[in-house]
Amino acid sequence: DTAVSQTPKYLVTQMGNDKSIKCEQNLGHDTMYWYKQDSKKFLKIMFSYNNKELIINETVPNRFSPKSPDKAHLNLHINSLELGDSAVYFCASSQEYTGELFFGEGSRLTVL
Amino acid sequence: GIQVEQSPPDLILQEGANSTLRCNFSDSVNNLQWFHQNPWGQLINLFYIPSGTKQNGRLSATTVATERYSLLYISSSQTTDSGVYFCAVCPQGGKLIFGQGTELSVKP
Repeated sequence: DTAVSQTPKYLVTQMGNDKSIKCEQNLGHDTMYWYKQDSKKFLKIMFSYNNKELIINETVPNRFSPKSPDKAHLNLHINSLELGDSAVYFCASSQEYTGELFFGEGSRLTVL
Repeated sequence: GIQVEQSPPDLILQEGANSTLRCNFSDSVNNLQWFHQNPWGQLINLFYIPSGTKQNGRLSATTVATERYSLLYISSSQTTDSGVYFCAVCPQGGKLIFGQGTELSVKP
């Protein structure tokens, strides 16, 4: 039974397209996150939601828009994709804001 | 902001060897975690260890919060231990910040 699940796992698309990545957690956690891992494997937080409310919004282009329909789901929509958006995007959750973090399996986005 | 430094950046071991990975951080933290990213890209929780010592099989971790470092010990390494080990810390009122990782390769 997967605790944090993301779909799709792989996404290949053309520049300029719009795409979404979905995330669901069944751990009953209050806080969810999106992280981006670049080609050098560096992990950087993008967004965090606590009980459906945005609490962290790092300096990312406004082409990236998170949406949390309920506290078990956090989706990431990306408009007008660019080559530099190619990366692995990880969803994560924790019980409280600074609590133990659990990651999904990642979604590898390739923009051609 | 807080700085997180992991060492060494790369490590090659023969199967069966022991190793110690280090994570230094520049400010007080209320959360520290160690993760293993396996060759398939999955990020696996190893330890949630803001202070003290924990053991899980061949792995153990120690965090000395007052001296701002944490150590991850891997004993009797196996090829399945290969991958990248990340330390992540959360300062008071802040967000979880990752180190740059230690890339471990265990040779048979």
